[in-house]
Amino acid sequence: KQEVTQIPAALSVPEGENLVLNCSFTDSAIYNLQWFRQDPGKGLTSLLLIQSSQREQTSGRLNASLDKSSGRSTLYIAASQPGDSATYLCAVRGGGFKTIFGAGTRLFVKA
Amino acid sequence: GAGVSQSPSNKVTEKGKDVELRCDPISGHTALYWYRQSLGQGLEFLIYFQGNSAPDKSGLPSDRFSAERTGGSVSTLTIQRTQQEDSAVYLCASSPTGTSEPQHFGDGTRLSIL
Repeated sequence: KQEVTQIPAALSVPEGENLVLNCSFTDSAIYNLQWFRQDPGKGLTSLLLIQSSQREQTSGRLNASLDKSSGRSTLYIAASQPGDSATYLCAVRGGGFKTIFGAGTRLFVKA
Repeated sequence: GAGVSQSPSNKVTEKGKDVELRCDPISGHTALYWYRQSLGQGLEFLIYFQGNSAPDKSGLPSDRFSAERTGGSVSTLTIQRTQQEDSAVYLCASSPTGTSEPQHFGDGTRLSIL
C-alpha cells in the first residue's frame, strides 16, 4: 500500500531564504508525482508534475526533483516571498487512477 | 467556465439527512476525481470517472456514498444518512484525459453535519 510522507510538517522562514520541502513514498512503482499548493479555504493549485521517466521539473522559482529508486522527491523554492505562504502537498499516482497525497507542509514566509 | 466549479461552497445539515454535492469540470476534460479532506488529515481519494468507462469506486468509504456523472460532464456526489464523521471538505478535480496531465481542483464544498 502506497504511503506518502512529507517533512517537515511546518516551516517558518524569513523572506528571501531558499528552502527545500521533502516528500517520500513507499512504493517506487509510480506513474507520476505532482506538487500542489493549497491556500486556506481554497482548492489545490498544481505547481509541478513530474512523470516517472523524468528527474526534475522547473517553473520560475520552483524546482522539483524525483528519485524513484529511493522513493523521494524534493520541492526547492528559491528566494521565498510572503506570497509563497501556503500548504504544499505532494501527490503520487500509481498504476491505477488513485492518487495518494501526503499530509502537506505548512509554509510561512515572514516579511 | 474557466475552472472547476463546485456547489454549494458550504453545506450544513442534520445527521441522518441526505446531501448532494455538485462538480462542474473544466470543459472538455474527460477525467473527473472526487476527494475528501478531513480536518487534520490529508486528501483521501473517493472516486474517479474517465469518459464512458466504469468509474473507479475503490475509495468510497461506505455504501452511503455514491456518485454519478451525467453526459460525461457534471458529477454529483451523494451521501445518504449523513453521519458526523462525514464532515469534511469535498474536493473535485478534472484533467484532460486522466493519464499524464495535472489535475485541476475546484475550491471544494465544506460539509458540516450537526
